[in-house]
Amino acid sequence: KQEVTQIPAALSVPEGENLVLNCSFTDSAIYNLQWFRQDPGKGLTSLLLIQSSQREQTSGRLNASLDKSSGRSTLYIAASQPGDSATYLCAVTTTSGSARQLTFGSGTQLTVLP
Amino acid sequence: DGGITQSPKYLFRKEGQNVTLSCEQNLNHDAMYWYRQDPGQGLRLIYYSQIVNDFQKGDIAEGYSVSREKKESFPLTVTSAQKNPTAFYLCASSFQGFFNQPQHFGDGTRLSIL
Repeated sequence: KQEVTQIPAALSVPEGENLVLNCSFTDSAIYNLQWFRQDPGKGLTSLLLIQSSQREQTSGRLNASLDKSSGRSTLYIAASQPGDSATYLCAVTTTSGSARQLTFGSGTQLTVLP
Repeated sequence: DGGITQSPKYLFRKEGQNVTLSCEQNLNHDAMYWYRQDPGQGLRLIYYSQIVNDFQKGDIAEGYSVSREKKESFPLTVTSAQKNPTAFYLCASSFQGFFNQPQHFGDGTRLSIL
């Protein structure tokens, strides 16, 4: 059974710092990996999706990398801002029978201090 | 605007009562999903539906029921058999058969016990 782990559970940084969030998964047979952002009391917003054949994806100040063989992904946030404060979750897509399913990590709660 | 609408935002359940959470989407997505999120944890899959009139159990289906009579709608009933229903419930949808398309999420329903 796929398991996804995110370390650290919480992170606090001063504004302007570059930071890295980590995600690891136990079964490397994935279709893709996604990073989501969740604001308090809200649903999830997809930030980046990396297909299994890709090494990284970039969107603005965000860069996500994928090393499928070692079961690891990182989300790099450049020049962090207070508005980046949120919980960041990673999820991997695997198949169960004919359906695809997402397995989520428990998230990293990020606080960017002004 | 296309999206997923969950209602109500907050819901309270009395002992022995069944309650139904609504999820509607106008994204023309085939597949819909229900997740449960507990504090400090990732999302766990309750039920999913790939097509109208068909649905499958996820990892934690006990005490829940669903129906999929219309493509746009996927209501979740939390029955009295679910002894620990307090959680944040999230509905999602996606195009089926496209493994590299992200899931879109609603803003969630927070269920509490009276």
